Amino acid sequence: EIVLTQSPGTLSLSPGERATLSCRASQSVSSSYLAWYQQKPGQAPRLLIYGASSRATGIPDRFSGSGSGTDFTLTISRLEPEDFAVYYCQQYGSSPETFGQGTKLEIK
Amino acid sequence: QVQLQESGPGLVKPSQTLSLTCTVSGGSISSGGYYWSWIRQHPGKGLEWIGYIYYSGSTYYNPSLKSRVTISVDTSKNQFSLKLSSVTAADTAVYYCARCGDYGEYYFDYWGQGTLVTVSS
Repeated sequence: EIVLTQSPGTLSLSPGERATLSCRASQSVSSSYLAWYQQKPGQAPRLLIYGASSRATGIPDRFSGSGSGTDFTLTISRLEPEDFAVYYCQQYGSSPETFGQGTKLEIK
Repeated sequence: QVQLQESGPGLVKPSQTLSLTCTVSGGSISSGGYYWSWIRQHPGKGLEWIGYIYYSGSTYYNPSLKSRVTISVDTSKNQFSLKLSSVTAADTAVYYCARCGDYGEYYFDYWGQGTLVTVSS
């Protein structure tokens, strides 16, 4: 199975700053079948990005995804207070579908 | 707007079978085009895909759990269910039901709120 490694484990930033989250796969993710989710405490994950770079419905354009092969990035251009949460990547190009261990984005 | 809601016991004894149901509203499972999934999250940990089912009954399971998992669908009730047998404390987790697409689009766009299942005697 494809193992996804997210870095950093925790990212401490201030509102208004730019956040860059990384997701590295143990082998190439076919067709850029990679998604990003946001999870807040006590809530289910929320789909942000699919196909590595396509925003899900209703997701603000400050969220963007990029990458291909084994290296993917989620960028939040200007952090809003509601963006502080845990972010997960997921690959769905190879079964079983797998998730990264998460990056916690916390307020500095 | 599709909504999913998990239901089932919050406490299961070791060696018994965990059973959960997901009720879908705002859309019909029978319409096709989507797989209906179970995902779990151990306390304070990441996410683990358990498996999914198509309205026709075709199932796909995570090999790590395949020997203990059964997912079924009841289109007349617009529900799908999870059974996990021979549970241990390691199966304590929040269990989510979710929807994912077909034709390779296996990302999860709608989720239930999740239900905590604790395995303990």
